[in-house]
Amino acid sequence: DGGITQSPKYLFRKEGQNVTLSCEQNLNHDAMYWYRQDPGQGLRLIYYSQIVNDFQKGDIAEGYSVSREKKESFPLTVTSAQKNPTAFYLCATRTSGRGSSYNEQFFGPGTRLTVL
Amino acid sequence: QKEVEQNSGPLSVPEGAIASLNCTYSDRGSQSFFWYRQYSGKSPELIMFIYSNGDKEDGRFTAQLNKASQYVSLLIRDSQPSDSATYLCAPFSGSARQLTFGSGTQLTVLP
Repeated sequence: DGGITQSPKYLFRKEGQNVTLSCEQNLNHDAMYWYRQDPGQGLRLIYYSQIVNDFQKGDIAEGYSVSREKKESFPLTVTSAQKNPTAFYLCATRTSGRGSSYNEQFFGPGTRLTVL
Repeated sequence: QKEVEQNSGPLSVPEGAIASLNCTYSDRGSQSFFWYRQYSGKSPELIMFIYSNGDKEDGRFTAQLNKASQYVSLLIRDSQPSDSATYLCAPFSGSARQLTFGSGTQLTVLP
């Protein structure tokens, strides 16, 4: 069964705690992304990685950290420095190759994080 | 200034009608344009993409692109209640190698 898996589906965090959201893919895609979505809003880019052992900050990286030690995995840690972390978190991967037709981006099922 | 603008809606159309969703973007370096559908509480799913000026048809969906006007649209023919969702427009920037998403248009198809 191929695709992108995110776990857990729902996550509850107490204030001051760090939590890590998992994202795994078996699509053999090079690029991986983390987005945050707030109610009624579009997707905002947190971090992205084009290749193993390399990643870049997106538009709202403050309070988050990532690692990319394996091609298949791109975990996101929400730290206590993130002041308002309650949101829907989406992981995505992108096909690579020449030509815009290869830039399709696919999403995992998401993790809904709630701070208590 | 928002980089990708979409009418937030809600847009309501009767079943069987044509739904027209519009999107404007500011980055002239955008190379390709993606439309995603997102049901409430679910992740976005890709409907179609377009990268050449003109129309591209896929079943009941037609994407239209006008790079000179920085405008892209999605038409849904013979709208069905199952089309009720939020539709996200996302230009791809070749230089930044990433998608930029609009805030989406909420579509409701009335039976």
